[in-house]
Amino acid sequence: KAGVTQTPRYLIKTRGQQVTLSCSPISGHRSVSWYQQTPGQGLQFLFEYFSETQRNKGNFPGRFSGRQFSNSRSEMNVSTLELGDSALYLCASSLTATDTGELFFGEGSRLTVL
Amino acid sequence: GENVEQHPSTLSVQEGDSAVIKCTYSDSASNYFPWYKQELGKGPQLIIDIRSNVGEKKDQRIAVTLNKTAKHFSLHITETQPEDSAVYFCAASYPYGGATNKLIFGTGTLLAVQP
Repeated sequence: KAGVTQTPRYLIKTRGQQVTLSCSPISGHRSVSWYQQTPGQGLQFLFEYFSETQRNKGNFPGRFSGRQFSNSRSEMNVSTLELGDSALYLCASSLTATDTGELFFGEGSRLTVL
Repeated sequence: GENVEQHPSTLSVQEGDSAVIKCTYSDSASNYFPWYKQELGKGPQLIIDIRSNVGEKKDQRIAVTLNKTAKHFSLHITETQPEDSAVYFCAASYPYGGATNKLIFGTGTLLAVQP
């Protein structure tokens, strides 16, 4: 059974640009959540999508947005990139909602903003 | 506010010793507490979880305890092995709105097991 796939794995952008990251969940999983990982800050919750609807969100500015498609694949977008957005962005899928069962994480997309 | 405090941030033990990582949450409505292990270059993986109706759960060399009154929960690893070296994250569910919750993670503990 294929795991969670995130693309691209690595990318470099400059300040002011925008970026779109993609996540393909495990087949049959309907929930996709996104986390930002930085040294010292741990895993910070961005948002969760369930059946194409944003179910909940973290405390990030509106520059961070996401969506989920009918096949459960998800994308997140960051506009007007800032240096502080450099991080590992992790996507996780789960069969049901994220607060009730196991999350399966991808290996992440490492974003560097110059 | 939504916060999960995790201590220590780094922990070094000798192979065969025990390791304990502690977390504190702030909302008494939290009812789900998983622990994840992240190896270098990989995404986190669930190793054990506990729900608020249980005080302790054990799975081979790992165990988790929960003190709801104090809002503390801890991960215990016994007979540590070099392959236990990784970053460990605790998490707690926090009410978001209606019947939904979100999972908030601690800042992580880097565990190094010295052979």
